[in-house]
Amino acid sequence: AQSVTQPDIHITVSEGASLELRCNYSYGATPYLFWYVQSPGQGLQLLLKYFSGDTLVQGIKGFEAEFKRSQSSFNLRKPSVHWSDAAEYFCAGGSNYKLTFGKGTLLTVNP
Amino acid sequence: GAGVSQTPSNKVTEKGKYVELRCDPISGHTALYWYRQSLGQGPEFLIYFQGTGAADDSGLPNDRFFAVRPEGSVSTLKIQRTERGDSAVYLCASSLTGGNSGNTIYFGEGSWLTVV
Repeated sequence: AQSVTQPDIHITVSEGASLELRCNYSYGATPYLFWYVQSPGQGLQLLLKYFSGDTLVQGIKGFEAEFKRSQSSFNLRKPSVHWSDAAEYFCAGGSNYKLTFGKGTLLTVNP
Repeated sequence: GAGVSQTPSNKVTEKGKYVELRCDPISGHTALYWYRQSLGQGPEFLIYFQGTGAADDSGLPNDRFFAVRPEGSVSTLKIQRTERGDSAVYLCASSLTGGNSGNTIYFGEGSWLTVV
């Protein structure tokens, strides 16, 4: 069965520090992969997506993610976190219309 | 409006009652999706419309759940004989076209349903 796993339920970083959120997927073939962010009172917002080609994907708000087939991973990174990045982050995979989401990682940013 | 609009934003209903949740997609988007997000979980796929027809309803949990999109724009998710386990945020989303087109899917803020 298709699945997406986010091993970290909650991560705390200091403002200005680097960030990496982990995502592992289990699919028979290379899926489409996505990262979404969800802030309180706001809908899910797409940060970036990977369909094919270059395995390093650039997104909005300074985020990037790298697809590593050998590790079945699609980790999200940001070199310097801002307080406004505090939110819940969801990795998702599958076809473009039928997404399987991970359970999310809650990011807290300390001043 | 500019984004996906969902009403009501919050709904409290008694067990056994009927509920309708409405979604107004971004103008011109032919694909529409419903997802459900329970507390502490990621969203789960319910149904996908391409135009007026349900292209994939494999995520609907049982026959108490039904969704329509009669004119290919606004969609309504209908839940009969609600149960406490139906309490969740129901998310609607839309995209310019569906399938594996690669078009970005835009989500609404959701309708919070609480069944007491």
